[in-house]
Amino acid sequence: QKEVEQDPGPLSVPEGAIVSLNCTYSNSAFQYFMWYRQYSRKGPELLMYTYSSGNKEDGRFTAQVDKSSKYISLFIRDSQPSDSATYLCAMSAAGGFKTIFGAGTRLFVKA
Amino acid sequence: SAVISQKPSRDICQRGTSLTIQCQVDSQVTMMFWYRQQPGQSLTLIATANQGSEATYESGFVIDKFPISRPNLTFSTLTVSNMSPEDSSIYLCSVDLGQGAKAEQFFGPGTRLTVL
Repeated sequence: QKEVEQDPGPLSVPEGAIVSLNCTYSNSAFQYFMWYRQYSRKGPELLMYTYSSGNKEDGRFTAQVDKSSKYISLFIRDSQPSDSATYLCAMSAAGGFKTIFGAGTRLFVKA
Repeated sequence: SAVISQKPSRDICQRGTSLTIQCQVDSQVTMMFWYRQQPGQSLTLIATANQGSEATYESGFVIDKFPISRPNLTFSTLTVSNMSPEDSSIYLCSVDLGQGAKAEQFFGPGTRLTVL
């Protein structure tokens, strides 16, 4: 079993839709949860960062962490064609352990 | 944040040859990371490069195949040696600007390598 599981998609939605992206994980020691966005032929860029459980909102983006279920989500409201990218979840434990990345979900937002 | 550049951006190489990838950061950082990203797969950490010491390699990666240099706090190179088609991938360098245990990684644009 992989430490982090993420559906690779692709996920195709119409412009304006609410997008839900998810990851599950197996290591209960993970405390830091990140979402990265990667456009084609670019490196990943940090989009959202959450510590422990709870929600975090930034504009159209909301990150949720449910540690009891080992499940994290990224919601995108009012999706735009410019949101078309690959979204990678990532997580790490306290104490300087390395960051583990999901495989990424390819998202296409159609105009 | 950090601005990271990589050279070359892409290359097509012949089997058995070697390629050196350069990574330049616009600020001084203690640790730099080298990742491999294969199609449909997650980012895989190859090694962590500290200035002034030997790189630390992850399981499945060895120094003879992926020698790394870290001559100063803003620069690192990764060499992919004796290449085979299985080495075709995107190679990314990264730095972590997080505080304490918080990870906040910034990535370069990547080097797209194709081995024939």
